[in-house]
Amino acid sequence: QKEVEQDPGPLSVPEGAIVSLNCTYSNSAFQYFMWYRQYSRKGPELLMYTYSSGNKEDGRFTAQVDKSSKYISLFIRDSQPSDSATYLCASTYTGANSKLTFGKGITLSVRP
Amino acid sequence: NAGVTQTPKFQVLKTGQSMTLQCAQDMNHEYMSWYRQDPGMGLRLIHYSVGAGITDQGEVPNGYNVSRSTTEDFPLRLLSAAPSQTSVYFCASSLSGRRQETQYFGPGTRLLVL
Repeated sequence: QKEVEQDPGPLSVPEGAIVSLNCTYSNSAFQYFMWYRQYSRKGPELLMYTYSSGNKEDGRFTAQVDKSSKYISLFIRDSQPSDSATYLCASTYTGANSKLTFGKGITLSVRP
Repeated sequence: NAGVTQTPKFQVLKTGQSMTLQCAQDMNHEYMSWYRQDPGMGLRLIHYSVGAGITDQGEVPNGYNVSRSTTEDFPLRLLSAAPSQTSVYFCASSLSGRRQETQYFGPGTRLLVL
């Protein structure tokens, strides 16, 4: 089992919809949970990260982590066509030899 | 700040050729890394460095060499290219190896090996 599993896609929604993107992880040592956005033929761009459990909001984006169920979510409110991209979840822990473990990514398309 | 820069953007190689992918960052980050991204496989770590003069292997190191002589630069060398190395390569950096929750990626190099 991969340490970080991401819902397969692709996902297509109409403009204005609320989008929910989800990942699960298996390594209990993970402390940081990240969401990256990757536009076509570009590098991944860090959207936001969360430490431990809880929610973090940044504009239309909310990241949520439930460590008890090892579940990571990203919610996008009032989705826009400019949100069309691949979204990657990732996890890591603090310490020597820590590395990012990525999900495979899900491609989101927001239809005008 | 330019952030993380990579050259070239695109390269075509023949099997057996060698080349170096360049990566540089101007954020004084200690940690730098190389990933490859393949369809259905996600991002996989090739090599990483926690500081100048220190490098180590990631998940898929075979066929690649790295060195880190300065804080700013972290080139990736393909000694004898194979079609299996056709991929998109990303360089990334973060402040330190112990804190990677904010890792910044370059724009990528698309490599085609014929």
